[in-house]
Parts: sequence; C-alpha cells; structure tokens
Amino acid sequence: AAGVIQSPRHLIKEKRETATLKCYPIPRHDTVYWYQQGPGQDPQFLISFYEKMQSDKGSIPDRFSAQQFSDYHSELNMSSLELGDSALYFCASSWTATNYGYTFGSGTRLTVV
Amino acid sequence: GEDVEQSLFLSVREGDSSVINCTYTDSSSTYLYWYKQEPGAGLQLLTYIFSNMDMKQDQRLTVLLNKKDKHLSLRIADTQTGDSAIYFCAEAYSGGYQKVTFGIGTKLQVIP
Repeated sequence: AAGVIQSPRHLIKEKRETATLKCYPIPRHDTVYWYQQGPGQDPQFLISFYEKMQSDKGSIPDRFSAQQFSDYHSELNMSSLELGDSALYFCASSWTATNYGYTFGSGTRLTVV
Repeated sequence: GEDVEQSLFLSVREGDSSVINCTYTDSSSTYLYWYKQEPGAGLQLLTYIFSNMDMKQDQRLTVLLNKKDKHLSLRIADTQTGDSAIYFCAEAYSGGYQKVTFGIGTKLQVIP
C-alpha cells in the first residue's frame, strides 16, 4: 500500500541557508500536516493544509512557510536556518472523512551546522 | 506535550505485560491514539479509541479509557524485544482537518 513519502531523508545545511522539504501524501488523503520533533521531544505541530488551503497553524516560526500544491503534495520551506532548527520533520496525511489517525512519513532529518 | 502527560520510561522483562499510562486535559478530546516510534523511524499508528468507548482490544494490545479521570492506558501482553520503542499517546478533537496533540512519549525497554 502507498505510504506518505518524504524527501529528502537526510539534509545537512549551514546556518542562514534555506531548506525545502517535500511531502507526498497517500492518494485520496485531503489533509497534510507537518510536525517537528527535536531530539528527545514529542512531535510539535507546525502547520496543516486541507484541500490545498492552510487549515491550522501551530508553533511554526515566521522563517518557515509551507504550501500544498494542486497534486496535493506539500513543501515546507525554511529560511535563515538556525542550529535549533535541527530536528526530524514529519509529514502526515489523513482523510478527513475519518479520524482514524494520521499516516506519518518516515521523516526528514535536518541537521544545521 | 503539555496537554498530554506520560511517564518517560518503562522497563519490563520479555514475556511480561507492559502498561503505559497517559493523562490528558481536554475533556472535549474525541479521539485518542497510541503511536509507536522506533529509533530513527516515523510514527506508526498502533491503535485508537473513541471517547465513547471504555476499552478496545486488538491482538496483544488493550486500550483502556477512563474518561472521568481523563486517563488512557495501553497494555501490551507478552511483551517482546521488538516492542522496544517510544510510545506516544495523542489526542484529537472531532471534526475535519484536526491536529493531533502528542504526549512526550514513554520509552519502553524490553529486557530479554
């Protein structure tokens, strides 16, 4: 069965650089969520999109932006990267007709040096 | 994780039962989930329970919900070394495009 695909799996960037993370949800899922998980932390909600419109916003820094495209894939853009942005970034998708939990991707590990 | 609380660590012997506990604060939470995260991996949905249920059993997993006390537990019977992971309790409200709020996670260590 198709899962949530995230790319890249690993990314190393220098401070003040820009990073773009991509997420391809499960086909027919209409909602995409982005989470950030720091070392030893629980996943923190960043932002979500429903039918390509931003539906909810969490603790996402102003340096970050995200969008969902017509093919439902989503991109998280992070600019002026800081050391503290080093984390695992998860994308998840769901079908709002059910609430049987999200399906998470394997994550992108971002390391800022 | 401030709305969902879990103990940080649990150690059990292989073959014993594990019980991971969680408390949540929002009584309007309608859906409660347990996710498993193995090292370096994504979050895997293990099971979920609706707030109008008291118990749900799925093979070795039993979820108990005490809505009055806002307490959720996950029991793993016959715990195996492959069950070693971090287990996240999570809550969500009803409705569409809802976000899920996670607890800090309980690290389960299974001793052979």
